[in-house]
Amino acid sequence: EIVMTQSPATVSVSPGERATLSCRASQSVSSNLAWYQQKPGQAPRLLINDASTRAAGIPARFSGSGSGTDFTFTISSLQSEDSALYYCQQYNNWPYTFGQGTKLEIK
Amino acid sequence: EVQLLESGGDWVQPGGSLRLSCAASRYTFSIYAMSWVRLAPGTGLEWVSTISGSGSTTYYAGSVKGRFTISRDNSKNTVYLQMNSLRVEDTAIYYCARQPTTVTRVLFDHWGQGTLVTVSS
Repeated sequence: EIVMTQSPATVSVSPGERATLSCRASQSVSSNLAWYQQKPGQAPRLLINDASTRAAGIPARFSGSGSGTDFTFTISSLQSEDSALYYCQQYNNWPYTFGQGTKLEIK
Repeated sequence: EVQLLESGGDWVQPGGSLRLSCAASRYTFSIYAMSWVRLAPGTGLEWVSTISGSGSTTYYAGSVKGRFTISRDNSKNTVYLQMNSLRVEDTAIYYCARQPTTVTRVLFDHWGQGTLVTVSS
């Protein structure tokens, strides 16, 4: 099973600043990586697929990069509504695994 | 806007059974693969099972294989998860989710709001 490790566990960023989240796979997943946002009491929301492609309707301030084992998710100019849990997920190999999540807090 | 509405979550004793349903609307249900994903207390998201649009192909996580069965009824726009031999560790919010492309690309572009399954004596 591919283990997805996200860091940091929690990050606190001021509005308007950049937030950078990391995701590392225990073995290569090529570019078969997605990022999701989940707010309390809500369903997850797909933000990025194929490591760097924004899903439909996702604002341009959200971006992803990386391939193989190391991936980065960036919010270029943080807004208050971006406070949430963020998960990465690999879909390269069965079983399809998620990271444990990074909690993004607004300062 | 795609809509997915889960139902069937409940409290059940260990060893018991439960069937979850997910009713889909506002898109052509039969051409999309569907999955179940769960969120257990204190842990992250865990993919559980996937079924192709036709229903001919299914995948399961190792933790549920042999105990859970995914199925779908395209005439009712509904996907099901039959859960047998339930364990305490199956306690979670269960989400149904749509896959945007092929059955082999197991990522999720639309999610339901979830249904809570509690397994406890």
